Amino acid sequence: DGGITQSPKYLFRKEGQNVTLSCEQNLNHDAMYWYRQDPGQGLRLIYYSQIVNDFQKGDIAEGYSVSREKKESFPLTVTSAQKNPTAFYLCASKMTVNTEAFFGQGTRLTVV
Amino acid sequence: QQQVKQSPQSLIVQKGGISIINCAYENTAFDYFPWYQQFPGKGPALLIAIRPDVSEKKEGRFTISFNKSAKQFSLHIMDSQPGDSATYFCAAFSSGSARQLTFGSGTQLTVLP
Repeated sequence: DGGITQSPKYLFRKEGQNVTLSCEQNLNHDAMYWYRQDPGQGLRLIYYSQIVNDFQKGDIAEGYSVSREKKESFPLTVTSAQKNPTAFYLCASKMTVNTEAFFGQGTRLTVV
Repeated sequence: QQQVKQSPQSLIVQKGGISIINCAYENTAFDYFPWYQQFPGKGPALLIAIRPDVSEKKEGRFTISFNKSAKQFSLHIMDSQPGDSATYFCAAFSSGSARQLTFGSGTQLTVLP
């Protein structure tokens, strides 16, 4: 089955900890994206990557970091610098030349 | 800067009724307008999409109406069912830029049985 897999589904973080959210796709898509969704809110872009070893900041990149060492993987690290990290995180991917974006099932991060 | 404005924020419709969600955009470079459906705890899934060279697209009970001159587009759900209860996002995309899909703020639809 082709698709995007995010893991874990639920993640709990202590204050001051860094945590990494996984996003893997086997769709051979060039571009990958990370969005943050807060209750009752739309999707806000954190980072995106159009090609391996290259990524760009989105609208709310502060306190987050990413890497793109492989085409199929785009992990997101939520650092201790992110003051309000509790949210639902969504990963998406698409072919650069195509328009349809596919989403993973999300990771719900909670700070405890 | 919000480039896609979506309304209403929430919508309650009786079973069998018509649900209408509206979006307006500013950037004339947008050339692809998808609608996504999201159930609680799940990722958004593409529902239907339209390009600005057509004024309407219909897939089953779902129809997009597009008004290029007004820079507005809307989603109509005919014969709404309780299973349609979800959050709906409009989005806009420019094929000249891979930067992002720009999303509306979402509409929480509740269809009463």
